[in-house]
This record gives sequence, C-alpha cells and structure tokens, in this order.
Amino acid sequence: GAGVSQSPRYKVTKRGQDVALRCDPISGHVSLYWYRQALGQGPEFLTYFNYEAQQDKSGLPNDRFSAERPEGSISTLTIQRTEQRDSAMYRCASSLDRVSTEAFFGQGTRLTVV
Amino acid sequence: KQEVTQIPAALSVPEGENLVLNCSFTDSAIYNLQWFRQDPGKGLTSLLLIQSSQREQTSGRLNASLDKSSGRSTLYIAASQPGDSATYLCAVSREVYSGGGADGLTFGKGTHLIIQP
Repeated sequence: GAGVSQSPRYKVTKRGQDVALRCDPISGHVSLYWYRQALGQGPEFLTYFNYEAQQDKSGLPNDRFSAERPEGSISTLTIQRTEQRDSAMYRCASSLDRVSTEAFFGQGTRLTVV
Repeated sequence: KQEVTQIPAALSVPEGENLVLNCSFTDSAIYNLQWFRQDPGKGLTSLLLIQSSQREQTSGRLNASLDKSSGRSTLYIAASQPGDSATYLCAVSREVYSGGGADGLTFGKGTHLIIQP
C-alpha cells in the first residue's frame, strides 16, 4: 500500500476483554515495529519483526501482550485480559529492511480500556 | 539502557525566526538517528535520517546535525512558519552486531513547538 495502515483507528473495550490491533505495512517492507505511546511521551518500543520472524520482544510489558506476523506482511498485536493501564496509542512502523531503517509510521490505534 | 533527552520541552517563537531543537543520547553506539514531526491526532512523519557515519542531513528549511561521539544532535529550522507548529521527536536506533543492521528506535519525549503568526 501507499503507507502504513492500522486498524481500528479507535478501540474502546471493557477491562478483561481481549483486543487485536492490526498493522498493514508498506508493500515490500521487510521490517515491522510496534510501539506504544502515552500522552506527552515519545513512543516506546514493544517488538519488531523481520519478515515473519520476531526479532526482539523485549519491550512487551508482560505476557498478556503478544504479536505475530505469520506471512511476513500484516501483523497483529494482541492484548489479553486488558487492564486500564493498557490504554494508550499503539503505533506501527515499517522500514525497507534492517539496514535501510528509515521508519514510516501509521496513524496509530487509540485504545481505551474502561 | 539508551536514554534520549530533548531540550527544550516546549518552545514558542514568532514567525520568521530561525530555531534549534536539541537532542542528546547516552549510548553513542547508535546505528542512525531520525527526526520526526508529530501533529495532534496524526501519525509520525519522518523528517530526516542521519546515519551514524554522517555529520548532517538537509531537507528544505531543515538541517539536522549529528555528533555521535558526544551523543548530540540538533535540528535547525530556518525561517519558521506557523505550519511548522508541531511536536518534534528525536529517535535513535541501536546497531545489531549479529546479522548487521539496527533494531527498534528509542525516542525522546519531544519538543512542542509553537510558531506565532
């Protein structure tokens, strides 16, 4: 696609529910990154993929968070048993590869847990 | 652990002024440094990317410099315009020695810039 696409743009969920956030990277981009951004802060790294391989998941806050990219294109970030503290903007970025690392971001998914 | 600091946190200047935004990072073993612009309710827009071997990059009225050894970068905006009002974020990536390339970005908190008409 022309840019990184994230869906949904907004998600309101009740505490305890599972949510799945989707990211469709720029066509041909090998590397895909997930970030979380709290209000007034810079984005915080969660995890990233090269092709379908998850290279680093050290930024995932706990085991309720997981991500996958099964075919090396679209990625899903899943949060199980959501808590209010999970409320944030979730951002996805892609880059051509791990060497050409200029990152291009989607518009994000605003998650609100009530 | 890499830490990125941006100074000032907020800045308000009259239209037409030249200005400098500062970014510092604690670990000089970076792969590259990237400056982004963030508008309210929107995504991040990449402005400039400087590889660790480079000293500066220019795009239009923007010039970014990098002093890797001292852990500093500056973003210079010439002849500022109201449309430049946004939050500017600095981010660095770390070099991955196994397989080469870089991993994810570490961001500063940003500088909130307001250009007064």
